[in-house]
Amino acid sequence: GAVVSQHPSWVICKSGTSVKIECRSLDFQATTMFWYRQFPKQSLMLMATSNEGSKATYEQGVEKDKFLINHASLTLSTLTVTSAHPEDSSFYICSARDPRREETQYFGPGTRLLVL
Amino acid sequence: SQQGEEDPQALSIQEGENATMNCSYKTSINNLQWYRQNSGRGLVHLILIRSNEREKHSGRLRVTLDTSKKSSSLLITASRAADTASYFCATGSNDMRFGAGTRLTVKP
Repeated sequence: GAVVSQHPSWVICKSGTSVKIECRSLDFQATTMFWYRQFPKQSLMLMATSNEGSKATYEQGVEKDKFLINHASLTLSTLTVTSAHPEDSSFYICSARDPRREETQYFGPGTRLLVL
Repeated sequence: SQQGEEDPQALSIQEGENATMNCSYKTSINNLQWYRQNSGRGLVHLILIRSNEREKHSGRLRVTLDTSKKSSSLLITASRAADTASYFCATGSNDMRFGAGTRLTVKP
């Protein structure tokens, strides 16, 4: 299957700082990428849909000013958690849709964020 | 958007036994996909079944799809301890939403 990478794999930061997470599709071009967050023992919650060259579409209840998404190229989307607080601590996962494979979504390995 | 809902929520079996998980969804689909997630990891795509397919095999995996009942099942045959993971189904092409998943435990 296709490969999606995420960086960093884990990050610890102080409350009030901003954290940027990168999601890259390594062997295909993805016009659409997705960002999810997952709390322990829970399912993935879709945060936003990121479209290359346009504004992201956020799910209800997700603050767009807090979770900034940029999809500047067909292989890279970034999620920036601004002014992070302890309640933002979570597992963030991105995925990219592969148009060559019937729009199958491939997921990155996730980024574990801990805000102190 | 559509969402898959899996059941059971948890399943515990012995190594060598078969495991069956079910998924229900609400609206029409183009395809349905099953994923596996090991603890603390990303999701791994297992298999995609198109809406015009009724059954699909991949190694020890067998997926069925009943569009009239809006349901799908994932069968893992001859389970191994390494199959221990959470399994999710997802539908939709515009976005991908997930149910709570089935947590499968395979005891050695």
